[in-house]
Amino acid sequence: QITLKESGPTLVKPKQTLTLTCIVSGFSLSTKGVSVGWFRQPPGKALEWLALIFWNDDQRYSPSLRTRASITKDTSKNQVVLTMTNMDPVDTGTYYCVHKLDFGVVVGWFHPWGQGILVTVSS
Amino acid sequence: EIVLTQSPGTLSLSPGERATLSCRASLSVSSYDLAWYQQKVGQAPRLLIYGASSRATGIPDRFRGSGSGTDFTLTISSLEPEDFAVYYCQHYGSSPYTFGQGTKLEIK
Repeated sequence: QITLKESGPTLVKPKQTLTLTCIVSGFSLSTKGVSVGWFRQPPGKALEWLALIFWNDDQRYSPSLRTRASITKDTSKNQVVLTMTNMDPVDTGTYYCVHKLDFGVVVGWFHPWGQGILVTVSS
Repeated sequence: EIVLTQSPGTLSLSPGERATLSCRASLSVSSYDLAWYQQKVGQAPRLLIYGASSRATGIPDRFRGSGSGTDFTLTISSLEPEDFAVYYCQHYGSSPYTFGQGTKLEIK
């Protein structure tokens, strides 16, 4: 069974750096085709994709966050880390990490999702 | 970037009725790369449909996805009380992985 669980601070101050960790189980981050993405959802608003890291360490970022976000993984620890600099109150929301598996030429979908972690940015 | 527009924003129906939710893409999307999610308050999104029309494991057959190109539809044939939630479509073929703004399905 594949599971993901987010952890990190639930309150950060403006201009601080946010570091979130996603601990995964049920699969290996080094398996070909595997990737893990980060998404967020401001209260009452729609979902937004932030970043993705592939099994081979290739990375993708949302154009709106490219200069602020960094995604890395540690296969031995089964964890994926998202770092976002210069946090602002508009970054308040629930942050999710999600599994994705591509099957050769078939692009995989995002499933399952972690339970999410609510991060509030406030002084 | 593919922009997904969902309609209506809110749909008010009664249990037992049929729900039709629309997702329109700004560019043609491969049918293999379109998903639908259900989200209830305080919960993570739940995958319903992938590849535009394939039901995820454990999803009841009253949920049906269809469409191609730029127009996709999620149909719930006969609403159950637990179906009232927010529904999102998503393009996952290549980054950026965009979502529609959601359709809220509420009890009339």
